[in-house]
Amino acid sequence: DAKTTQPTSMDCAEGRAANLPCNHSTISGNEYVYWYRQIHSQGPQYIIHGLKNNETNEMASLIITEDRKSSTLILPHATLRDTAVYYCIVAYFGNEKLTFGTGTRLTIIP
Amino acid sequence: ETGVTQTPRHLVMGMTNKKSLKCEQHLGHNAMYWYKQSAKKPLELMFVYNFKEQTENNSVPSRFSPECPNSSHLFLHLHTLQPEDSALYLCASSQESGDMNTEAFFGQGTRLTVV
Repeated sequence: DAKTTQPTSMDCAEGRAANLPCNHSTISGNEYVYWYRQIHSQGPQYIIHGLKNNETNEMASLIITEDRKSSTLILPHATLRDTAVYYCIVAYFGNEKLTFGTGTRLTIIP
Repeated sequence: ETGVTQTPRHLVMGMTNKKSLKCEQHLGHNAMYWYKQSAKKPLELMFVYNFKEQTENNSVPSRFSPECPNSSHLFLHLHTLQPEDSALYLCASSQESGDMNTEAFFGQGTRLTVV
C-alpha cells in the first residue's frame, strides 16, 4: 500500500469547517483513499472513501485532486465530538488490511 | 455501537498468566482482524482471518495465539507476555466478497496491562 503524509495536528473552531489534508503522491491507479478517525480510547471509525470522484456522506466530504496525489477531508460544521485522530489511508478496494500512519490530531476549540 | 464487541475492556495480567481476549461480531462479516496499538505508535495489523482461515500473520510472537472457531468469533490467547506487550488490542471485521466488500468495523478494544 502507498504511504500517506498528514499534518501532525490541527485546531478548528467549533461550528466551522474542518479541512484535513493528505498527500499520497505514490498512489497507484487502483488504490482508493480511505479516511478513518479514532476518538480517544475507542476503536477507529470509518468515515468515507473514494477513488477519483469527490464523495459526500452524512459525516463528511472527500475532495480528491485530479492527479490523485492529494486529498482533503472536510467536516462541514465541526463539533466538539469531532475531536479525534484522523487517518488517511490508501488501499486497494476491499483490502481491509489497513496500514495506519500517525494521522492528524484534530482538536475542535469551543 | 459498531456491532463488534470486545471483552474484557480492561485486563491486567502478570507475565506468567494465561488469558484470552474475545471478539464477537453480529454483522455477518466473513473477515476478522486483530490490531495492536501501543502508546504513541500507529495501529499494527497482527492477524487476519477470512472464512475462519488465517490468511495473515504479521510476524507476531508465538506468545500471541489467535483462534477463530467460526466467522462470528475471534480470540487472542495470551501467555508469558512481557511488559512491552501492554497496549490497546483492537478487533475489526469486514465483508470481503468481490463487489460486496465493506469498510472495516472496529470494536472498542481491550486495554491490556502486563505487570
